[in-house]
Amino acid sequence: NAGVTQTPKFRILKIGQSMTLQCTQDMNHNYMYWYRQDPGMGLKLIYYSVGAGITDKGEVPNGYNVSRSTTEDFPLRLELAAPSQTSVYFCASSVPGLKGETQYFGPGTRLLVL
Amino acid sequence: DAKTTQPNSMESNEEEPVHLPCNHSTISGTDYIHWYRQLPSQGPEYVIHGLTSNVNNRMASLAIAEDRKSSTLILHRATLRDAAVYYCILIRSGGYQKVTFGIGTKLQVIP
Repeated sequence: NAGVTQTPKFRILKIGQSMTLQCTQDMNHNYMYWYRQDPGMGLKLIYYSVGAGITDKGEVPNGYNVSRSTTEDFPLRLELAAPSQTSVYFCASSVPGLKGETQYFGPGTRLLVL
Repeated sequence: DAKTTQPNSMESNEEEPVHLPCNHSTISGTDYIHWYRQLPSQGPEYVIHGLTSNVNNRMASLAIAEDRKSSTLILHRATLRDAAVYYCILIRSGGYQKVTFGIGTKLQVIP
């Protein structure tokens, strides 16, 4: 299993440009998440999904959109990039269990908005 | 949501044991204590979790206080590869919930 994969690894955007961060998992996990991590800070939840066709907002959803058409894929869309969106973005997936869920993270996408 | 408190940073000498503390005084009976770590330039990875009893795996041990208001992640012999940020998180059993990753404890391992 590849686990959780993310593309691209690094991207530079100009203010106002748009892009899609890709996330794919091959573990058949129902739950998927997008986090952002600013330098020296913890992770903040942007959006999450509990299954195909079902998404919901996290702590910091403004400026982002998501879709979940399949179990495997959970892309994150930035419509009008702003410098405040410069961050490292992590995608994760999990399966809820009786002992609490374990989240599996991708390697991250580093985004710089200039 | 129950919160956790961890020291911002700790140091350890290489090949010595490391005890990383976590306080969670408002923990509920169905909250599992999870530990993740984040190596430099990587995503977080699961380390260990437990409910009431102490737990061991190949990466670490988890010691849970009898009243469950605190726990300690134990790395038995710190290596340079253990230098990372360690997060202590409470996750309730069953169903979805939003997990909060705080700042965690940055562990520095000194050669």
